[in-house]
Amino acid sequence: AQTVTQSQPEMSVQEAETVTLSCTYDTSENNYYLFWYKQPPSRQMILVIRQEAYKQQNATENRFSVNFQKAAKSFSLKISDSQLGDTAMYFCAFMKHVSGGGTSYGKLTFGQGTILTVHP
Amino acid sequence: NAGVTQTPKFRILKIGQSMTLQCTQDMNHNYMYWYRQDPGMGLKLIYYSVGAGITDKGEVPNGYNVSRSTTEDFPLRLELAAPSQTSVYFCASSYLGGRDSPLHFGNGTRLTVT
Repeated sequence: AQTVTQSQPEMSVQEAETVTLSCTYDTSENNYYLFWYKQPPSRQMILVIRQEAYKQQNATENRFSVNFQKAAKSFSLKISDSQLGDTAMYFCAFMKHVSGGGTSYGKLTFGQGTILTVHP
Repeated sequence: NAGVTQTPKFRILKIGQSMTLQCTQDMNHNYMYWYRQDPGMGLKLIYYSVGAGITDKGEVPNGYNVSRSTTEDFPLRLELAAPSQTSVYFCASSYLGGRDSPLHFGNGTRLTVT
């Protein structure tokens, strides 16, 4: 079974600075996807960035980038130029395709989350 | 563009009561999912559906039932509510099976069973 571990329950950063959130996972799969989701106080889950395991190049989305180390099974999220609106819970998630019983879907396994607070 | 809409936003149930959490999406997505999020934890899959008339169990299905009579709607039924079902429930949808298309989440329903 896949496990996703986020070892930092809480992080804080000053506005405009850079912060890195850690995530490690355990799997025997070779083909999978990794995601970072943001959950602000509004509770909505928002996709921040995703990475395909077969791609060596690290994904970037504006101020968000990842450091994907497949051999080490590490998937950290870097937030540059932090903004107050980045304050949220961040979840790392692992997805693999599973099938059985006539149906198939992308099974998501979430980490425990990291609460990020951006201070003015 | 409404996306994924969940109702109600909050609900308090007494032990043994039943209720249905509603979820509807207007994106014509084939896949729909129900997750629960316990305090300080990530989301866990309860049930999923790959299309109208087709549903299957996720990781934590006990105590829940689902139906998918239309593409748009995917209600979650709680029978005989128990305190262990106190959680925040999220409905999500995706066009494909999630692998190549991201999940779109609703805003969640906070359920308390006392």
